[in-house]
Amino acid sequence: EAGVAQSPRYKIIEKRQSVAFWCNPISGHATLYWYQQILGQGPKLLIQFQNNGVVDDSQLPKDRFSAERLKGVDSTLKIQPAKLEDSAVYLCASRPTSGYTDTQYFGPGTRLTVL
Amino acid sequence: AQKITQTQPGMFVQEKEAVTLDCTYDTSDQSYGLFWYKQPSSGEMIFLIYQGSYDEQNATEGRYSLNFQKARKSANLVISASQLGDSAMYFCAMRENSGGSNYKLTFGKGTLLTVNP
Repeated sequence: EAGVAQSPRYKIIEKRQSVAFWCNPISGHATLYWYQQILGQGPKLLIQFQNNGVVDDSQLPKDRFSAERLKGVDSTLKIQPAKLEDSAVYLCASRPTSGYTDTQYFGPGTRLTVL
Repeated sequence: AQKITQTQPGMFVQEKEAVTLDCTYDTSDQSYGLFWYKQPSSGEMIFLIYQGSYDEQNATEGRYSLNFQKARKSANLVISASQLGDSAMYFCAMRENSGGSNYKLTFGKGTLLTVNP
């Protein structure tokens, strides 16, 4: 079974530019999460989708961050415009909903550097 | 609000020895779950072990075991027979329900484990 896929793996941009990240969850996983992990800290949830609906986006900075999951499969996370403090690893995770399981499976992450 | 505390920024262990990574949590929920993830330098979060709040026995997965002490609100990870490949960041996380069957994870700051040959 293929894992969670993310691209790009690395991105370097200048402040005020825009950037987008892509995530493809494990096949059949209805729940998808985006996390932000700043260096030296644990991941922090940005947004959670169930199929193509948003379950929780309370910690998403909506003035600059947006995310969508149009067909309930792939998801994109966008930052516009980027700030220096957005430098972080952006992790995507997915979780199955058939049967009861608590485990989230993570992708390799996208490391963003804002100069 | 929930909180996860990992008080050990870094730990060193000799190869083949056992090591305990500490995690304490704070919650007012009766039903919750605790996770440990490993994050190597490559960046991917790898699930290691899970303990439910109603589980009567401590969880075990191969060389990993979770020392769950509910009254003390602690969920320490024990790695037996450490290997060089165990060198990584280790994160403790707690499940917080988002409604229905949905939940999100709250992570601690992590512990960097270094296994010496």
